[in-house]
Amino acid sequence: EAGVVQSPRYKIIEKKQPVAFWCNPISGHNTLYWYLQNLGQGPELLIRYENEEAVDDSQLPKDRFSAERLKGVDSTLKIQPAELGDSAVYLCASSSQRGSDTQYFGPGTRLTVL
Amino acid sequence: RKEVEQDPGPFNVPEGATVAFNCTYSNSASQSFFWYRQDCRKEPKLLMSVYSSGNEDGRFTAQLNRASQYISLLIRDSKLSDSATYLCVVKWGNTGKLIFGQGTTLQVKP
Repeated sequence: EAGVVQSPRYKIIEKKQPVAFWCNPISGHNTLYWYLQNLGQGPELLIRYENEEAVDDSQLPKDRFSAERLKGVDSTLKIQPAELGDSAVYLCASSSQRGSDTQYFGPGTRLTVL
Repeated sequence: RKEVEQDPGPFNVPEGATVAFNCTYSNSASQSFFWYRQDCRKEPKLLMSVYSSGNEDGRFTAQLNRASQYISLLIRDSKLSDSATYLCVVKWGNTGKLIFGQGTTLQVKP
């Protein structure tokens, strides 16, 4: 069974530029999560989807971050414009059902903003 | 106070040593608890769940103390391959939202 797929794996951009990350969850997993992980810290939830509905986006900085999961399968997270402080690893995870204890993470996208 | 707190370490131990990690959480209504393992530049992966009665998986033992809001992970007979960051994770209510600690780094040396 294929795991969570993310692309790109690495991205280097200059500040004020836009950037987008893509995630394809494990087949059949209805719940999808986007996390941000800074160096030396644990992942922090940005947004959680149940199918195509964003059910928890309270930690998403909506002035510059947006996300979508139009067909309830793959998802895109966008930052526009990027700031220096956005440099981090962006992790996508999925789980098989709402409230499932186990989340499966993708390899992440390492973003560097110059 | 952070929602989930861990000693970041690093813990440097020799092979064969026993090492214990501790974690405290602030939300007394938390229902589920886990330890995830994260290798350097890799994604977190579930190591084990933590049950009220305590549970063991080979060399790994996890314990929960709800009264003190405290979770622990014990690793016996440490191997070089145990070197990683261990993330304490708490699930808030039944929403599926996981709160991660900052992680404790373990380095096992020959």
